[in-house]
Amino acid sequence: GQNIDQPTEMTATEGAIVQINCTYQTSGFNGLFWYQQHAGEAPTFLSYNVLDGLEEKGRFSSFLSRSKGYSYLLLKELQMKDSASYLCAVKIGAWSAAGNKLTFGGGTRVLVKP
Amino acid sequence: EAQVTQNPRYLITVTGKKLTVTCSQNMNHEYMSWYRQDPGLGLRQIYYSMNVEVTDKGDVPEGYKVSRKEKRNFPLILESPSPNQTSLYFCASSLGRAGIQYFGAGTRLSVL
Repeated sequence: GQNIDQPTEMTATEGAIVQINCTYQTSGFNGLFWYQQHAGEAPTFLSYNVLDGLEEKGRFSSFLSRSKGYSYLLLKELQMKDSASYLCAVKIGAWSAAGNKLTFGGGTRVLVKP
Repeated sequence: EAQVTQNPRYLITVTGKKLTVTCSQNMNHEYMSWYRQDPGLGLRQIYYSMNVEVTDKGDVPEGYKVSRKEKRNFPLILESPSPNQTSLYFCASSLGRAGIQYFGAGTRLSVL
């Protein structure tokens, strides 16, 4: 089976940096996504990693280590609007005519304080 | 405007009364998927589909059915809903085999 772990909640101050870790144990790993979800809204895509290393997109960066089963999402220069849940999702690569399976972690709620 | 549309947005029903939640996308995406979201459990995949008439089970398929008769539509069917299916449901679509998912606005279902 698959197991994906993220911290439940984190608190940080406006302007600071926060790192959200995600560890996974899966068979057939084929990529990792990060999504942002504001309360009461649908998730929206933030980043995708399939190879080891760092992907940077403005204030958000995501890192992947396949050998360690580990990823993190780094949020810099935090703004109040960054208060949301951040979801880690792993794409399972076992071949299926129907496509690939996606398994999400429980999500990390980030609260940004003034 | 590119979007994934789910209907209804809110639904209250009773145990055993069959219901269908519709999902439609206008982006010509091959991959479509249904998720349920429950507090403390995160998003869990119910069913997914890569093409017309090709579907597969996700992590929590019990009590649900899907069909993919047209590329743009992927309805979720609850033949005999039970209270443990009370949840927030999301439909999503993507280009290719589970690429970046674009989510619908969600359907909040209560089964009494």
